[in-house]
Amino acid sequence: QQKVQQSPESLIVPEGAMTSLNCTFSDSASQYFAWYRQHSGKAPKALMSIFSNGEKEEGRFTIHLNKASLHFSLHIRDSQPSDSALYLCAVSMKGGRALIFGTGTTVSVSP
Amino acid sequence: GALVYQYPRRTICKSGTSMRMECQAVGFQATSVAWYRQSPQKTFELIALSTVNSAIKYEQNFTQEKFPISHPNLSFSSMTVLNAYLEDRGLYLCGARQGTEVFFGKGTRLTVV
Repeated sequence: QQKVQQSPESLIVPEGAMTSLNCTFSDSASQYFAWYRQHSGKAPKALMSIFSNGEKEEGRFTIHLNKASLHFSLHIRDSQPSDSALYLCAVSMKGGRALIFGTGTTVSVSP
Repeated sequence: GALVYQYPRRTICKSGTSMRMECQAVGFQATSVAWYRQSPQKTFELIALSTVNSAIKYEQNFTQEKFPISHPNLSFSSMTVLNAYLEDRGLYLCGARQGTEVFFGKGTRLTVV
């Protein structure tokens, strides 16, 4: 059964700094990799996703995937207080299978 | 835009009773709906994946007998927590899939007393 782990568990980052979040997964046949963000009391919302090895950048956010290492990451450049939230990585197999979520990282960006 | 509504937002039920929660996709047709439970520690557990006209797939530790799901069409799903006990408390979220994207509702928070 797929195991998805995140590190660190929580993080405090000064405003303007880089936030780096890690996610490892156990099933090498995984095909879809995504990061979600959940603000307190709100629905989780997709930030970015990637299918193949490499890097993808959208604004201040960069996702990096290394399937051989069973690892992907999210980097947030110029972190803002509004980025403070619970960040969840998610993995799924092909064919519309359900997302399996990681253990979560709570990020606090201090002004 | 794609929205997912969940109802009710919060519910309190007595230990041993049951409660039903609903998930409505608005603005799109969901090819599948997955139900999750978020624990007080914020961990997401997948309960089941439901695809219209296909058998519902339950994850280990979750059964149809305890969490029956109805998924009659591409925009609506409901799940009941039968015989709820303290360990069933948490935030129940539904994720509705459109293509490669999954949209979530704000969840139904279940408190068992």
